[in-house]
Amino acid sequence: GAVVSQHPSRVICKSGTSVKIECRSLDFQATTMFWYRQFPKQSLMLMATSNEGSKATYEQGVEKDKFLINHASLTLSTLTVTSAHPEDSSFYICSARAQGATEAFFGQGTRLTVV
Amino acid sequence: AQKITQTQPGMFVQEKEAVTLDCTYDTSDPSYGLFWYKQPSSGEMIFLIYQGSYDQQNATEGRYSLNFQKARKSANLVISASQLGDSAMYFCAMRGWNSGNTPLVFGKGTRLSVIA
Repeated sequence: GAVVSQHPSRVICKSGTSVKIECRSLDFQATTMFWYRQFPKQSLMLMATSNEGSKATYEQGVEKDKFLINHASLTLSTLTVTSAHPEDSSFYICSARAQGATEAFFGQGTRLTVV
Repeated sequence: AQKITQTQPGMFVQEKEAVTLDCTYDTSDPSYGLFWYKQPSSGEMIFLIYQGSYDQQNATEGRYSLNFQKARKSANLVISASQLGDSAMYFCAMRGWNSGNTPLVFGKGTRLSVIA
């Protein structure tokens, strides 16, 4: 299957700082990328959908000013957690889908810990 | 809108035995796709198997098969000859084809433990 690379895999940051997570499609053009958040022992919850060159569409309850999503190219989307707080500690995972494709491929995920 | 229900929080299976993980769904889309993913403790989501709503035959991929019963809106995953490495979280997911560029909607997952 296609490869989606997500970095970093783990990050620890201080409260109040910002963290950027990158999601890259390595061998296909990802016209759409999805960002999910997963709390321990829970399912994946969709945060936002981003189409290349457009503003992201955020799910209800997700603060767009706190979770900045940029999808400036067909191979890269970034999620920036701004002014992170301990309650933002979670597992963040992206998935990428090519135009018209059935399947979306997932990155390896990023475990964020805010101290 | 789509909804996935996985009613088994945890399952145990003896090594080399078969196990069925349940999944029921609800959707208003006439055309849709059903997916199963495996998530080991490392966190990555591993795609296992896909079933399209209009596929006539149940999908199979190696030791994985999908028992698709459209009238009952169920898409159970069957793992044959379980291995210790099959211990993980398993998520059922779906996507409607008539609702634009939609994301996958996931169930709550089932934690499978394979016992030696």
